[in-house]
Amino acid sequence: QVQLQESGPGLVKPSQTLSLTCTVSGGSVSSGRFYWHWIRQHPGKGLEWLGYIYNSGTTYYNPSLKSRVSISVDTSKSQFSLKLSSMTAADTAVYYCAKGEDYGGDSGLDVWGQGTLVTVSS
Amino acid sequence: QSMLTQPPSVAGAPGQRVTISCTGGSSNIGAGYGVHWYQQLPGTAPKLLIYGNSRRPSGVPDRFSASKSGTSASLAITGLQPEDEADYYCQSYDSALIDMIFGGGTKLTVL
Repeated sequence: QVQLQESGPGLVKPSQTLSLTCTVSGGSVSSGRFYWHWIRQHPGKGLEWLGYIYNSGTTYYNPSLKSRVSISVDTSKSQFSLKLSSMTAADTAVYYCAKGEDYGGDSGLDVWGQGTLVTVSS
Repeated sequence: QSMLTQPPSVAGAPGQRVTISCTGGSSNIGAGYGVHWYQQLPGTAPKLLIYGNSRRPSGVPDRFSASKSGTSASLAITGLQPEDEADYYCQSYDSALIDMIFGGGTKLTVL
């Protein structure tokens, strides 16, 4: 059974680039079967999808964040990563990684990491 | 503002039935995309509750059911239990660019 675990800094300064990693266990991050997503949740708010990576290289990002978001895979470490540039206080949120078995179809996000709180402050 | 609209809150007494609506439009739910539902207990990550409009993952009690019709979907919870108190989110896709979208979430209070 696939399990996901986020890791990264809990505090980021304004204008810096956030780097988070999601470690995949119990499955292969390079498998062409799954879509690997990043989702965030602002404090006390709803869920916002950031983007996915599929088959180790195909990416698709939320258009509202597209210029700032990058997702990549490190198959040797069984990890996928999120980079979000030009961080501001508005990016303070809990960041989740998640897995889906398709995109646009009938499978939801069936595995989630526990989430990691990222605060943007000087 | 979310493209999928949910009521901010619903409430019910133990044992009762509640429903949570998720209203979209012709570019998302109405375009035929699947609707999925997540339960987020306080302080925890969301958990997949319903996928493909009405299917329950293994381990989800049959007290939870969902349906989709036209441009809307709904989640029903029967036999409410105190542990059902959580936030519930619907999720689908929007066909403009096939973006993943979430409803704004509904807080369920068990009275």
